[in-house]
Formats: sequence, C-alpha cells, structure tokens
Amino acid sequence: NAGVTQTPKFQVLKTGQSMTLQCAQDMNHEYMSWYRQDPGMGLRLIHYSVGAGITDQGEVPNGYNVSRSTTEDFPLRLLSAAPSQTSVYFCASNKRREFGNEQFFGPGTRLTVL
Amino acid sequence: AQKITQTQPGMFVQEKEAVTLDCTYDTSDPSYGLFWYKQPSSGEMIFLIYQGSYDQQNATEGRYSLNFQKARKSANLVISASQLGDSAMYFCAMSRSFGNNRLAFGKGNQVVVIP
Repeated sequence: NAGVTQTPKFQVLKTGQSMTLQCAQDMNHEYMSWYRQDPGMGLRLIHYSVGAGITDQGEVPNGYNVSRSTTEDFPLRLLSAAPSQTSVYFCASNKRREFGNEQFFGPGTRLTVL
Repeated sequence: AQKITQTQPGMFVQEKEAVTLDCTYDTSDPSYGLFWYKQPSSGEMIFLIYQGSYDQQNATEGRYSLNFQKARKSANLVISASQLGDSAMYFCAMSRSFGNNRLAFGKGNQVVVIP
C-alpha cells in the first residue's frame, strides 16, 4: 500500500493563479480531510469528506474548494491564490469508526504564493 | 467549539530520561477522542497514541503513555527512556464523537533530546 499520497511536494504560485493539490489513498478509507499548517499555528482543518459525494467545511474553508467523486481521491482547489495561503498542506484519511481512528497523513505539499 | 492548549516552551531532555508534554482541552461534547502526533524535522505526521473519553485506563503504546485526567481536562503525553530520534514537534489533537475526521490540533511542543 502506498498509503496517502500528495502531489506536488512543492509549488510556487503567483497571486491570482489557481491550482489543484492532489490527494489519493489506497486504503479504502471512507473519511478524508485537508489541513493547513502555518508556523506556530498547529494544523487547521480546511475541508473534510465522510464519503464519495459528501464534503463539508472545516475551520478555515475560505478560498478553497473540494470534491470527492471517488473514495480514493480528494483534490483541493485554490481558486485565486493569495499570499495568506502560503502554507504546508496535509491530506489525511481514516476509516469510519466512532472512536480510536488514527488519521493517516500524506507527506504534505509546501505551497508558496508570491 | 473544541480547543486544545499546549503552552510549554521548547524542551531539552537528556537521553534516556522521561519527558512529559502537557495538553489541556476544552469541549462541550459528552464524548471525544484525544490523539498525540509526532512531527520530526522531515515534516511527516506520525500517530503515537489515542485515548477515548470513556476509556477507564490510561492508554499506553510502547514508550508512550497518556496521562488522562478527565476532570482536569488534561491529556499529557509521557515519553519514557528518551531517544535521540524523539527530537520532534509533538501535537495534541481532539476529535468529536461523530464525524471523527475533524481533528482540532494544539500548537505543539518542541522536544530536543540531547546525548
């Protein structure tokens, strides 16, 4: 199993550009999430999904869109990049259970917006 | 809303000694889960240990144990017999009882193990 994979590992954008961060998992996990990590802030939830076709907003959703057309994939779209979106982005997945579910994290994408 | 607080400054620990990392939380949910993750300098997030709010016993996983005090709303991580590879950031996180892919993270504790 590859686990959770993310592409690209690094990306530099100009203000106003759009892009999609890719996330895929091969563990047949129902739940997937996107977090961003800023210095000194810990991880904050952007969007999450509890299954194909179902997504919802997390703590900091503005400026981002998601979709979940398959169980495996959960792409994150930046609509019009802003310097405030410079961050490290983590995708995570876990199985649907009430408790005790560790989230498996991808390696992260380091995004810089100029 | 859930809130996780980790306020310790960076810590230096002697190799082979134990270290305790503090985590306090605030929630109105009647049931919840508490997690600790490790993030080494390479950047990946590594799951360490989990504690459910209704678990009667403190969780243990190898050298990691969680000192759970529900009334005080604290979930401290204890690392015994520190190793050089334990040098990392450590994050405490909480999930709600339902929809448990919504983790709220603390800001982390930096640990440096010195030989």
